[in-house]
Amino acid sequence: RKEVEQDPGPFNVPEGATVAFNCTYSNSASQSFFWYRQDCRKEPKLLMSVYSSGNEDGRFTAQLNRASQYISLLIRDSKLSDSATYLCVVIRGSQGNLIFGKGTKLSVKP
Amino acid sequence: EPEVTQTPSHQVTQMGQEVILRCVPISNHLYFYWYRQILGQKVEFLVSFYNNEISEKSEIFDDQFSVERPDGSNFTLKIRSTKLEDSAMYFCASVDSRSYNEQFFGPGTRLTVL
Repeated sequence: RKEVEQDPGPFNVPEGATVAFNCTYSNSASQSFFWYRQDCRKEPKLLMSVYSSGNEDGRFTAQLNRASQYISLLIRDSKLSDSATYLCVVIRGSQGNLIFGKGTKLSVKP
Repeated sequence: EPEVTQTPSHQVTQMGQEVILRCVPISNHLYFYWYRQILGQKVEFLVSFYNNEISEKSEIFDDQFSVERPDGSNFTLKIRSTKLEDSAMYFCASVDSRSYNEQFFGPGTRLTVL
């Protein structure tokens, strides 16, 4: 079983749509969780950390369910600039090494 | 805003040649990482480095790979004898503490092995 699994997409949505991404992780000892964004042929950039209580940053809402080992990202009111690949990331071990999912590609159309 | 830089942006080499990929982490950061991303694949952890030594490495990071922080600013990844399957994007990252703060990634070096 892959350590971090995501639906690869692509998700093709119109501007203004709400879109949800899901992610599962296999290692119950994982301690920290993130969503990164990666534009084509660019480096990953942190979008937001994910906390057990859930957290929101503008149009973005992240949720964590430790019991189900499930992480989600909700994007409301999608913009053209949201088009990217969204990477679910967990930290495994004590050295802060990031373990990435393969990513979910989002394409927002006018 | 401080940023991680990497050179070169693109390196083309012949199979069997040695390459050195260079990174300059953010100046007050203490933990350094190399990741790679084969085209179309996920980002994979290679190695973490702290206090002038490797703190953890993945199964990908075999004897052909080495890392060094030669002068307190640069952080290098050396591949001794490149293989075709080493062709990938290599990202350097740094973080100021291991308390799960944001890892800042460099723009990457695209390595093409012919």
